[in-house]
Amino acid sequence: DAGVIQSPRHEVTEMGQEVTLRCKPISGHDYLFWYRQTMMRGLELLIYFNNNVPIDDSGMPEDRFSAKMPNASFSTLKIQPSEPRDSAVYFCASSPYRQGYYGYTFGSGTRLTVV
Amino acid sequence: AQKITQTQPGMFVQEKEAVTLDCTYDTSDPSYGLFWYKQPSSGEMIFLIYQGSYDQQNATEGRYSLNFQKARKSANLVISASQLGDSAMYFCAMREGGLTGGGNKLTFGTGTQLKVEL
Repeated sequence: DAGVIQSPRHEVTEMGQEVTLRCKPISGHDYLFWYRQTMMRGLELLIYFNNNVPIDDSGMPEDRFSAKMPNASFSTLKIQPSEPRDSAVYFCASSPYRQGYYGYTFGSGTRLTVV
Repeated sequence: AQKITQTQPGMFVQEKEAVTLDCTYDTSDPSYGLFWYKQPSSGEMIFLIYQGSYDQQNATEGRYSLNFQKARKSANLVISASQLGDSAMYFCAMREGGLTGGGNKLTFGTGTQLKVEL
């Protein structure tokens, strides 16, 4: 089991550019989550999917952010256009649907810097 | 209102001593789960321990135990015999929504930075 795989690990981009973050969840996990971590706001949930369907996107900060999950093994988080305040670590996590304990596994994160 | 409150931004502990990291939570859902994660300086999120709201006994995982006081809405993490490698940020988190999966998302506290000293 390779765990949750995120790419790239680091991304530096100029303000105004489009940024795409990628995530491969653990096979068989029904849920996929995108979190953002900053010093000011801590860990905040942006959006999550159940069986590839977006369930709650209330945490997406604005229309510049979009997320897709075209199939069970791949998800993207896109920022267009990017701004310096988007600089953060973006985590993807996945979870199976089991009664009782839900195991959430996080990827290694993508550190995004917008200059 | 904060759903998860961690009041200790930083803690110090001597190696081999035990340390308790505080966490209180707020929910009206009778079915919920409480988690602790460790984030070392390398940045990854490492799952440590889980406590379900209906679990009768406190959860334990090796040197980690969860002091679950349901009436006080408290879920403190106890690390016994601290090691230098325990130095990290520790996050408490809660899942609400019962067994239906409808609310299957984690809400995190602000974290406690633990430093283990020689």
